[in-house]
Amino acid sequence: DAGVIQSPRHEVTEMGQEVTLRCKPISGHDYLFWYRQTMMRGLELLIYFNNNVPIDDSGMPEDRFSAKMPNASFSTLKIQPSEPRDSAVYFCASNGKRGGLNTEAFFGQGTRLTVV
Amino acid sequence: DAKTTQPTSMDCAEGRAANLPCNHSTISGNEYVYWYRQIHSQGPQYIIHGLKNNETNEMASLIITEDRKSSTLILPHATLRDTAVYYCIVRVGWSNQGGKLIFGQGTELSVKP
Repeated sequence: DAGVIQSPRHEVTEMGQEVTLRCKPISGHDYLFWYRQTMMRGLELLIYFNNNVPIDDSGMPEDRFSAKMPNASFSTLKIQPSEPRDSAVYFCASNGKRGGLNTEAFFGQGTRLTVV
Repeated sequence: DAKTTQPTSMDCAEGRAANLPCNHSTISGNEYVYWYRQIHSQGPQYIIHGLKNNETNEMASLIITEDRKSSTLILPHATLRDTAVYYCIVRVGWSNQGGKLIFGQGTELSVKP
């Protein structure tokens, strides 16, 4: 299995532009999570989905952030408009079932976003 | 989810055992102790978890005190590649909320030659 795949790995954009981060979870996993990591705040959970349905978005910082999961194999995190304080590493994670029990969460390699 | 307390940083000599402590004095009866680590510039990686019994896998051992208020992650023969930030997380089992994790600041482990 290729694991959780995120794209792009690096993104540099200008303030005010729209940014879209992409995630492909591990096949068969029914939970998907978006995290953000900064030096100041560490790793923060932004939102998570179960069976493509958003369950908890209380960590999404502002209305400028939105996330979708149109199908079981794809999710996006969009920032519009982007601001310099959105600069961070964004991680996607997924977990599913093994032997009828939920497994541990597996993380992607992250997208490093820089807003200038 | 219960709050955890970990030392900010630790050093360990290569080849020696690394013992990483975690305090979780407010842990509830149905909460597990999970350990993840994050090697620089990579996504967090699952290590091990336990409820009340000691656990061992190919990566590490987890020792949980009888009152469950603290635990220790043991890397039996640390290598330079074990240099990472180690997170101790207490939460209910995976059956609830999937793999949702709330990360603290963790312990930065430096393995030195």
